[in-house]
Order: sequence, then C-alpha cells, then structure tokens
Amino acid sequence: DGGITQSPKYLFRKEGQNVTLSCEQNLNHDAMYWYRQDPGQGLRLIYYSQIVNDFQKGDIAEGYSVSREKKESFPLTVTSAQKNPTAFYLCASSYRGETQYFGPGTRLLVL
Amino acid sequence: AQSVSQHNHHVILSEAASLELGCNYSYGGTVNLFWYVQYPGQHLQLLLKYFSGDPLVKGIKGFEAEFIKSKFSFNLRKPSVQWSDTAEYFCAVNGGAGSSASKIIFGSGTRLSIRP
Repeated sequence: DGGITQSPKYLFRKEGQNVTLSCEQNLNHDAMYWYRQDPGQGLRLIYYSQIVNDFQKGDIAEGYSVSREKKESFPLTVTSAQKNPTAFYLCASSYRGETQYFGPGTRLLVL
Repeated sequence: AQSVSQHNHHVILSEAASLELGCNYSYGGTVNLFWYVQYPGQHLQLLLKYFSGDPLVKGIKGFEAEFIKSKFSFNLRKPSVQWSDTAEYFCAVNGGAGSSASKIIFGSGTRLSIRP
C-alpha cells in the first residue's frame, strides 16, 4: 500500500529530553512537511523539504530540527528548547506542492 | 508572508441546511488553493483544489468552492449538508510556481457540527 506512516502514535517526553518523530513515505514524493496541530490554531508549518539534503524553516521552527537524508524519510526532533511541545504532529508529502497526503499523526505529551 | 484566515471557528447547522465556510488568503503572486477535511479519527484528506482555469471548482461529496481573485477568497460551499459532513475543514494556500509552490500554509480550521 502506498502512503505515509508516522511512528510512534503516542510519545512521552521528559523535561530536558530530545525526542524524534518518524515519518516515512513510499509515494515517491519530492516534498515533505511537518505540521503542528493545536486546538483552535489549525496546522502550523514547522519545517518542509523540497529535495533530499535540503529543508526550510516554516513559521514555528524554533525548538525543532529535521533531516532529509533519504527521499522517503523526514524525521522531526523536538528538542529541549521547545518549551511547549505538547501537540499533535502531522507529517505530509506532496509532488511539487500539489495535493498533500497526510500521515496518521503522532501525539506528543510531556511528563 | 503568505497567510490564510478562516473566520468561522465553529459552525453548527441542521441537516439539509446550506453551508458556506469563508477562507481569505494573503499572498502577492500566483496561488494554488486547497480545502482539506478531517473527519473524526481520520487522516486529513483533500476535498478540492484550484490551480488555474474555471474559478468554480467541484470536489468530493458535493462540495464546491469559488476562487474570487479580487477578494482573495476561496469559500467552500455545499447546498445541503448531511450529518456525515461533521468534521473540521481547513483552507490552505501555496505560491503557485517555482520554489514557492512547496510551502503550503493552512488556516486555523472551521469545526462543522451537523445536528441530525
């Protein structure tokens, strides 16, 4: 089946800890995205990548980091610098900015 | 910087009522416009999109949207809603060409509740 997978479904972070959210796609899409979804705020763009080994900051990149070493994979690290990390994180991919396909999301909770 | 505004945060309608959800965007150049829907417990999925051509676009499940360039708007409509339309609806925009095409920005969403 073609699609986007995100893992884990739930993730717990302790104070001062970095955590990494996984996103993999087998749609052969060039572009991949990370969004944060909070109630009443919609989806806010964290980072996006148009090609391998290149990525750009979105509107709320502070406290996050990404890498794009493979076309299929775009992991997101939530660093200890992100002071309010509790949210629902969505990964998406698209072909050159056309229709986005979304993964099932990862819910990050702080202990 | 591009931005998207959805002024209706929560809309409550009865079945068979007509629906119009507002979407306004701010962007100086060519745009592509999208409406996505998130049904309870499901992935975000595309309802419809506008890239060029006829400004009235039709999507799945009887939804349509009209691009009005002079008003920077892309409102979503449905003549008669059903209980199964209960969901959250998101408007999105990207720059229509070149590297700007990959940066897709979403609005804050509109929660639609349909009373049976």
